[in-house]
Amino acid sequence: EVQLVETGGGLVQPGKSLKLTCATSGFTFSNAWMHWVRQSPEKQLEWVAQIKAKSNNYATYYAESVKGRFTISRDDSKSSVYLQMNSLKEEDTAIYYCTWGNSYWGQGVMVTVSS
Amino acid sequence: DIQMTQSPSVLSASVGDRVTLNCKASQNINKYLNWYQQKLGEAPKLLIYNTNNLQTGIPSRFSGSGSGTDFTLTISSLQPEDFATYFCFQHNSWNTFGAGTKLELK
Repeated sequence: EVQLVETGGGLVQPGKSLKLTCATSGFTFSNAWMHWVRQSPEKQLEWVAQIKAKSNNYATYYAESVKGRFTISRDDSKSSVYLQMNSLKEEDTAIYYCTWGNSYWGQGVMVTVSS
Repeated sequence: DIQMTQSPSVLSASVGDRVTLNCKASQNINKYLNWYQQKLGEAPKLLIYNTNNLQTGIPSRFSGSGSGTDFTLTISSLQPEDFATYFCFQHNSWNTFGAGTKLELK
C-alpha cells in the first residue's frame, strides 16, 4: 500500500523557517518524481515544487511564489522528501501535501505563518 | 503562466443525475489534464489522468474527455458519495490547478 506521511508543520512567525518531511512507503521511491502542493485557507490548490529522480540528476523546479525561499530535497535511503521553507510570509499559510507524481497524496500538514 | 478556469463554480444536482464539469485552459495543454476529487478534511484524490484515463480503483461512472484547451469530467449517474469538490490540473507546462467546482446536493 502506498503511504505518504507529512510532518513538521506548525505555527511560525513571518520571516522564520520551517522544514517539512514526507516519509513514504509502498513504492520504489528512488525512481519517483516527488512534489509538494499546498492548499490555502480559501481552498485554492497551488503546486509548489518538484524533485526528479537520481537518473534525472535530482532536477528541481519551483513555483515563482516560492523560488529563492523554499528548497526541495530528498533522501532515497530514507524514502523521504523534504521542503525547507525560509523567509516565510503570511501568504504561505496553507495545508502542505506531499505527492508522488501528483497521483498519490499524503494527508497534509498545516503551516500557519502569523505573528 | 497557463490559467485554468473551471465552470460552474457550484453545481447542484440529485442522486442519479448525469453531470458535466468543465475546465478551460488559457492555452493548449495537449492531453495533460488531470481531475481530482476532494472531500471535506481529506486530501485530493486522483480520478482521471491525461484527459481520459481512469485511475485504478475509480468507478467507471467517472469519465473525462477533451483536448487542447477544453476538457470535461462527466459523472454518468451521481451517487451519494460523489458530492465533493472537483479540481482540474494541467501538467503540460509547469503545473496549474483550477479553482474547483463544488458539487452539492440539490
